[in-house]
Amino acid sequence: GDSVTQMEGPVTLSEEAFLTINCTYTATGYPSLFWYVQYPGEGLQLLLKATKADDKGSNKGFEATYRKETTSFHLEKGSVQVSDSAVYFCALSEVQGNNRLAFGKGNQVVVIP
Amino acid sequence: EAGVAQSPRYKIIEKRQSVAFWCNPISGHATLYWYQQILGQGPKLLIQFQNNGVVDDSQLPKDRFSAERLKGVDSTLKIQPAKLEDSAVYLCASSLDGTGYETQYFGPGTRLLVL
Repeated sequence: GDSVTQMEGPVTLSEEAFLTINCTYTATGYPSLFWYVQYPGEGLQLLLKATKADDKGSNKGFEATYRKETTSFHLEKGSVQVSDSAVYFCALSEVQGNNRLAFGKGNQVVVIP
Repeated sequence: EAGVAQSPRYKIIEKRQSVAFWCNPISGHATLYWYQQILGQGPKLLIQFQNNGVVDDSQLPKDRFSAERLKGVDSTLKIQPAKLEDSAVYLCASSLDGTGYETQYFGPGTRLLVL
């Protein structure tokens, strides 16, 4: 079935540093792609999404571009803040699976003042 | 607008016991999802309802897990009997009509520990 792969391990960086979290996907059709974020003690919430190739999703300074040629949807932010510390999940909606979401394993991001 | 509500927030049981989780979706949302999130992994869909009908339960361990959505609103997920490997966070989510590009809204989850 369709799947998402995120880079291994937590990410620790200093405030105002540049953040990149890699996400690649495998899909039989043309899925929609999502980044969800889970702040400490809170539920998952949508950060941004893209529904077709070359679309760019953006929110709260975060961006990700749907790259069909490299099957990627990498998350970036130019200058992170301590408040961005959270777990970030990449996900796709499975075209062949009633559009259910398939999630990556998530990346813990820790921003140090 | 009220979000997705879940209860209880935490539950500790012994193996072979039964447990039930409750979810109240956002008002007007036709589609309701139950996910299982094991520590260190992303959420995995267990079951998806459209109104009060099941759309997808292909990943639900039906020998021990059951779910219902009476009247197309609230939903209950039950595990009977529980196993150690069922220890996880159970997330409920809802969306307007279940299309592939729309946003799913998640509740805070129920953290289950099976001893």
